Amino acid sequence: GAVVSQHPSRVICKSGTSVKIECRSLDFQATTMFWYRQFPKQSLMLMATSNEGSKATYEQGVEKDKFLINHASLTLSTLTVTSAHPEDSSFYICSASQTGVFYNEQFFGPGTRLTVL
Amino acid sequence: SQQGEEDPQALSIQEGENATMNCSYKTSINNLQWYRQNSGRGLVHLILIRSNEREKHSGRLRVTLDTSKKSSSLLITASRAADTASYFCATDGDMRFGAGTRLTVKP
Repeated sequence: GAVVSQHPSRVICKSGTSVKIECRSLDFQATTMFWYRQFPKQSLMLMATSNEGSKATYEQGVEKDKFLINHASLTLSTLTVTSAHPEDSSFYICSASQTGVFYNEQFFGPGTRLTVL
Repeated sequence: SQQGEEDPQALSIQEGENATMNCSYKTSINNLQWYRQNSGRGLVHLILIRSNEREKHSGRLRVTLDTSKKSSSLLITASRAADTASYFCATDGDMRFGAGTRLTVKP
């Protein structure tokens, strides 16, 4: 299957700093990418849908000014957690959609574990 | 609200037994996908079933889809301890996940 990478895989930062997470589709072009966060022992929560060349669509309750999403190319989307606080510590996962003739299939990145001290 | 809702939320079985988990969804779909997630890790795509398919097999996995009931089931046969994970379903067009089914296979 297609490969989606995330970088970094793990980041520890001080409260108040901003952290950028990259999501790349390595062998296909992804017009749509999704960003999720997941707290321990909980399900994935969809944060936003990112479409190449346009503004991201945020889910209810997700602050768009805090979680900045940029989908500048068909293979790269970035999530920036601005002025991070300890409550932002979580596992962030992206997925990329590969559009086929008969189906859309999602491929997930390995996730980024963010710890804010 | 979540599109894919899995049940049961937790399932504990002995190695060698079969595990069945279910997924319900709300809107029309083109396909439904099942994923597994080991604790603290990313998601692994297991199988995709299209809306015009009723059943699909992949190794020890068997997936069914009933579009009239908007439901799907995932059957894992001859389970192994390594199958211990959380299992999620998702549909195209709406990538919200339910709580998942946490499967524990005891050796």
